[in-house]
Amino acid sequence: EADIYQTPRYLVIGTGKKITLECSQTMGHDKMYWYQQDPGMELHLIHYSYGVNSTEKGDLSSESTVSRIRTEHFPLTLESARPSHTSQYLCASSESGSHYEQYFGPGTRLTVT
Amino acid sequence: RKEVEQDPGPFNVPEGATVAFNCTYSNSASQSFFWYRQDCRKEPKLLMSVYSSGNEDGRFTAQLNRASQYISLLIRDSKLSDSATYLCVVRPFYGGSQGNLIFGKGTKLSVKP
Repeated sequence: EADIYQTPRYLVIGTGKKITLECSQTMGHDKMYWYQQDPGMELHLIHYSYGVNSTEKGDLSSESTVSRIRTEHFPLTLESARPSHTSQYLCASSESGSHYEQYFGPGTRLTVT
Repeated sequence: RKEVEQDPGPFNVPEGATVAFNCTYSNSASQSFFWYRQDCRKEPKLLMSVYSSGNEDGRFTAQLNRASQYISLLIRDSKLSDSATYLCVVRPFYGGSQGNLIFGKGTKLSVKP
């Protein structure tokens, strides 16, 4: 069982609020990822990090930002939430190397009203 | 052409049936292959890696055909608990470096009593 945690699990918030979704892993993995997934739809990579102080945007453009100050922690921030941000946000991590799979956290289901 | 393509299904099968899922990928230099399982409103979980020689884990058998750029997953003696969406996942290789994992849209399986 993977040790990757996300908080909160569910969040309902009003338009314009600033929110931070937390993601932590205790496996010492160098690589971490954020995905966005709407119900019944495919995963979209929005941010990734290959190590401390390294962050990159993913394939899907997102208004969110991320930071990686510690290996185990990879928070995602939305400065001003909008209804279009309503989705499930999944965090994942993996070891470095080509054959290592990603482990996912349980996700944060965000609803912006 | 999408990088990873799967038949979206749904596949509706009776308990005990054998069912096969197929997946094609476009990047011929891809190096790593996986099948993930995702239950409704849950995070994806690794089902199995796919090795060049093919591999089996209990009722599940995965095959890789590099020449045809094709991956398959066979489930024998289907159980009700096998009902989920099965994601084909590929790690591409671009210009001398590995890319991030590419997730297919998934094939939905529903096993009926």
